[in-house]
Amino acid sequence: DIQMTQSPSSLSASVGDRVTITCRASQSISSYLNWYQQKPGKAPKLLIYAASSLQGGVASRFSGSGSGTDFTLTISSLQPEDFATYYCQQSYSTPHTFGQGTNLEIK
Amino acid sequence: QITLKESGPTLVKPTQTLTLTCTFSGFSLSTSAVGVGWIRQPPGKALEWLAVTYWGDDKRYSPSLKSRLTITKDTSKNQVVLTMTNMDPVDTATYYCAHLGYGDLSVFDIWGQGTLVTVSS
Repeated sequence: DIQMTQSPSSLSASVGDRVTITCRASQSISSYLNWYQQKPGKAPKLLIYAASSLQGGVASRFSGSGSGTDFTLTISSLQPEDFATYYCQQSYSTPHTFGQGTNLEIK
Repeated sequence: QITLKESGPTLVKPTQTLTLTCTFSGFSLSTSAVGVGWIRQPPGKALEWLAVTYWGDDKRYSPSLKSRLTITKDTSKNQVVLTMTNMDPVDTATYYCAHLGYGDLSVFDIWGQGTLVTVSS
């Protein structure tokens, strides 16, 4: 299985901050990397697919980059509704493993 | 508009078999490049990929659970069924089904609301 490691595991930030979350794959996954946002008690929501493609309806302050083994999710200016848990997932080879999550909290 | 909804028991006993049904609308599993997958999440923990079925006969399973999982589809009913044998308390989790979009990118672009399954005697 390909292991996905996110950092940090938790993060405190303020409204208006620029935030970056990192995801590293245990082997190259080309650009087969997706980012999801999950709020408490809710299903995950797709934000970014194929490393850098913004899902329809997702705010443009979210962006993704990277290829190979190292990827980032950036939120350019945090909004109150962005405080949630974020997961990366590789869809390069099955099982399409998820990272352990990054909990983004209000400072 | 694509929607998915999970259904099944909320409580199962250890050693029992869990059967979950994902009923969907807005797409057909007869259409190429389409799939449905199952993902679970124990309380307070991360997401875990379980299994997927695609428009053809292709099915994939998590290697760590493969001996216990079966995924089937009923195209006429727009349903995908996941069975998990020999349930254990560690299998307590919210189980989600999701639509696989964007062709071979295999992205979970639309998710069901999830169903919490508790394993306890």
